[in-house]
Amino acid sequence: DGGITQSPKYLFRKEGQNVTLSCEQNLNHDAMYWYRQDPGQGLRLIYYSQIVNDFQKGDIAEGYSVSREKKESFPLTVTSAQKNPTAFYLCASTPGPTMNTEAFFGQGTRLTVV
Amino acid sequence: AQSVTQLGSHVSVSEGALVLLRCNYSSSVPPYLFWYVQYPNQGLQLLLKYTTGATLVKGINGFEAEFKKSETSFHLTKPSAHMSDAAEYFCAVSPFSGGYNKLIFGAGTRLAVHP
Repeated sequence: DGGITQSPKYLFRKEGQNVTLSCEQNLNHDAMYWYRQDPGQGLRLIYYSQIVNDFQKGDIAEGYSVSREKKESFPLTVTSAQKNPTAFYLCASTPGPTMNTEAFFGQGTRLTVV
Repeated sequence: AQSVTQLGSHVSVSEGALVLLRCNYSSSVPPYLFWYVQYPNQGLQLLLKYTTGATLVKGINGFEAEFKKSETSFHLTKPSAHMSDAAEYFCAVSPFSGGYNKLIFGAGTRLAVHP
């Protein structure tokens, strides 16, 4: 079945560590997105990529980095510069470069700082 | 800046009662409008969307929403709530000013359905 796979489902990070969240899609979609979800704040855009080897910062990119070396993969690294990384992270994709069509979401990764 | 306001972070209804979840947006040019649903510890699933055409939009699971340009609103309704409707609902817009290349979400409304 086509879809978006995020791994791991739960992730624990120690202070000062970098961690990488995986996002893979087999929908052949051009665009991929990373959102952060905090209680009572909805979803906020971290980074997005409309094409391989290109990506743009979203509204809260500080402390995060991404790469898009393959069409199907869009990993997110949470760096030690991100001061409050505990959150639920969602990856999404759309067929084309715009979000005028349905966005497909993964099941999310819950990151906790310990 | 574009924004989306969902009135009421929590809404509680009885099973069989009308569901009304409110959403207002700020934009000088009508954006594309969406409602998504999220079950606990899951991703988001599209309920319905408005891009152009008929302003009353029907979605999955019996939900519908009406785009009212004069009120900059896109409220979500369902005539009769089911227990399975209990979830968090997000209104989202894809604004013209951003080239329709991003989704801006409201803070969400958690719907509880009681017997």
